[in-house]
Amino acid sequence: SQELEQSPQSLIVQEGKNLTINCTSSKTLYGLYWYKQKYGEGLIFLMMLQKGGEEKSHEKITAKLDEKKQQSSLHITASQPSHAGIYLCGAHQSNFGNEKLTFGTGTRLTIIP
Amino acid sequence: DGGITQSPKYLFRKEGQNVTLSCEQNLNHDAMYWYRQDPGQGLRLIYYSQIVNDFQKGDIAEGYSVSREKKESFPLTVTSAQKNPTAFYLCASSIPLRNTEAFFGQGTRLTVV
Repeated sequence: SQELEQSPQSLIVQEGKNLTINCTSSKTLYGLYWYKQKYGEGLIFLMMLQKGGEEKSHEKITAKLDEKKQQSSLHITASQPSHAGIYLCGAHQSNFGNEKLTFGTGTRLTIIP
Repeated sequence: DGGITQSPKYLFRKEGQNVTLSCEQNLNHDAMYWYRQDPGQGLRLIYYSQIVNDFQKGDIAEGYSVSREKKESFPLTVTSAQKNPTAFYLCASSIPLRNTEAFFGQGTRLTVV
């Protein structure tokens, strides 16, 4: 089955600094989702990337999809305490409809003053 | 308001007992999913359903069972065969198309005592 590996597993960043989280797939990516989770809560949808080379931004968060490398990156600029949480990438296993939706191992982000 | 509801938020179970977690959505979504999350880990897929009266095993289905008798409901039963059931369980739903995001419930924390 498709595996999504995220790096780093955890990240501690000083407030105001930039950071990048990576998501690498063991199989071809047909689209990729980024979610954020506060501890003990459900997932909040951030962005969806469908095409190779696609880049999307929302406030200070930018995500890119590199289909050739089977990889996506999430970049946060000028981090704030509100960015703290667990970031998860997700992808559909097949390009035929919805099917199996699997998620990565997660990256725990801590923002320090 | 449309959404996906999981209940209860916290659940305690005695070892050897079966327990059923509820997941209801009023988003008119055909696809529904159950995930398990352990501390510091990502999401692992237990079962998923693309349509009423049909469901497929995910990556860690052993010790779990589901039913999909109604479009709105996808209950998960954690059986006594599940060796390590203490975890955070998340339910999600989506339109069965590759380019749409999944919506998540707030989760149920199951503790075996």
